[in-house]
Amino acid sequence: AQSVSQHNHHVILSEAASLELGCNYSYGGTVNLFWYVQYPGQHLQLLLKYFSGDPLVKGIKGFEAEFIKSKFSFNLRKPSVQWSDTAEYFCAVRSTGFQKLVFGTGTRLLVSP
Amino acid sequence: EAQVTQNPRYLITVTGKKLTVTCSQNMNHEYMSWYRQDPGLGLRQIYYSMNVEVTDKGDVPEGYKVSRKEKRNFPLILESPSPNQTSLYFCASSQKPGGGGNSPLHFGNGTRLTVT
Repeated sequence: AQSVSQHNHHVILSEAASLELGCNYSYGGTVNLFWYVQYPGQHLQLLLKYFSGDPLVKGIKGFEAEFIKSKFSFNLRKPSVQWSDTAEYFCAVRSTGFQKLVFGTGTRLLVSP
Repeated sequence: EAQVTQNPRYLITVTGKKLTVTCSQNMNHEYMSWYRQDPGLGLRQIYYSMNVEVTDKGDVPEGYKVSRKEKRNFPLILESPSPNQTSLYFCASSQKPGGGGNSPLHFGNGTRLTVT
């Protein structure tokens, strides 16, 4: 069965610091990869997605993620975080075979001003 | 405006009292799904539906029921709620299963359920 691991459960950064959140998945076939963001008290929103092509994907609000197939990873990055990036971030993987979206356990990011 | 609407946003109930959480989408999506979100566990799928009258169990279906009589609606039913069903629930929809293709999952605003 496919699974998704997010290694950092809580991350605290100061404004302007760089961010990298890890995501690894366990599925050997073709996958679609997603990062969702959940701002406090809100529903999940799509941040970015990877289906095929360029493994470096750019999303909204200056976020990007890189798909490294050999490492089964899809890490999320942002060069300079802002206080408004405080949120919970979820990595999700959808295998094209199972057509099911599996979420990681989430990473809570707190950005201090 | 394209959206997934869940009601109610907050619900406090007692053990054993049947309840229904409604979910409606206005995007003509075929795929709909229910998730529960618990601290440290992320989102876990309860039930999903590929289309009208087609539903299937997700990872944590015990204690829940769903129905899909119309394309736009996908209610979640707890026949006899228990305290371990206290959670934050999200309904989601997409054109393709699991958010495939260029149709990612759209989420509702969530329902916070407390069962005492």
